[in-house]
Amino acid sequence: AQKVTQAQTEISVVEKEDVTLDCVYETRDTTYYLFWYKQPPSGELVFLIRRNSFDEQNEISGRYSWNFQKSTSSFNFTITASQVVDSAVYFCALSEANAGGTSYGKLTFGQGTILTVHP
Amino acid sequence: ETGVTQTPRHLVMGMTNKKSLKCEQHLGHNAMYWYKQSAKKPLELMFVYSLEERVENNSVPSRFSPECPNSSHLFLHLHTLQPEDSALYLCASSQVVAPETQYFGPGTRLLVL
Repeated sequence: AQKVTQAQTEISVVEKEDVTLDCVYETRDTTYYLFWYKQPPSGELVFLIRRNSFDEQNEISGRYSWNFQKSTSSFNFTITASQVVDSAVYFCALSEANAGGTSYGKLTFGQGTILTVHP
Repeated sequence: ETGVTQTPRHLVMGMTNKKSLKCEQHLGHNAMYWYKQSAKKPLELMFVYSLEERVENNSVPSRFSPECPNSSHLFLHLHTLQPEDSALYLCASSQVVAPETQYFGPGTRLLVL
C-alpha cells in the first residue's frame, strides 16, 4: 500500500525566511509520480510540480525548489524568501504508475502542512 | 469560465435531504474525479471517471452516487447522509493520457446536520 507522510502539521515563519516542507513516501512500485499541491484559503488545490521516479534531478522554479531523494524516499519542498502570499496548506502526493509508465491517476495524499508566513 | 468550477460552494443539509454537487471543467479534459477532504484527514479519492465511464469506486458508501453525463460535467448525488460526511468535496479533471496531472476545483463545503 502507498503512504505519504508529512510530519510537519504546522509551520510558522516570518517573511523572507526560507522554509522547507518535508515529505516521505512509501511504495512498492518502481515507477511512480510525486506531486506537490498548494491549497490557499479559497480551497482549490493548485498543482505545483510533478516528478517521476526515474528523474532524481532537483528542480528550481523561482522561489520554489524541490529535492527528490530516492534513497531516503523523500521529496522535500523549499520556499526561499517566503512571502505572506505563500501562506496555505501544502500537500505532497504519490501516484502509482502502470508498466507503461503512465499513472492510474489515483493520488495518495499526505496530511498536509499548514504554512503561515507572518509579515 | 476557466479551469474547474464547482457549485454550490457551500451546502447545509439535513440527514433526510437529497442534494447534488456539480462540477464542470473547461479544460478539454476527459477524466474527472471526486475527492473528499475531512478535517485532519488526508484527501481521499472517491470516484474516477475516464471517458465518461466510472473506473474507480474507492469503497464509497452508496449514499454517494456519482454521475458523469459527458466529459465536461460531473455530479455527486447525495441522499440520507450522516454528520460524519461533512467535509470539503473536491472535483478534479485531467487528460486520460496524463491522469497524474489533475486540476482541482474550489470545492463544495458540505455540512450535514
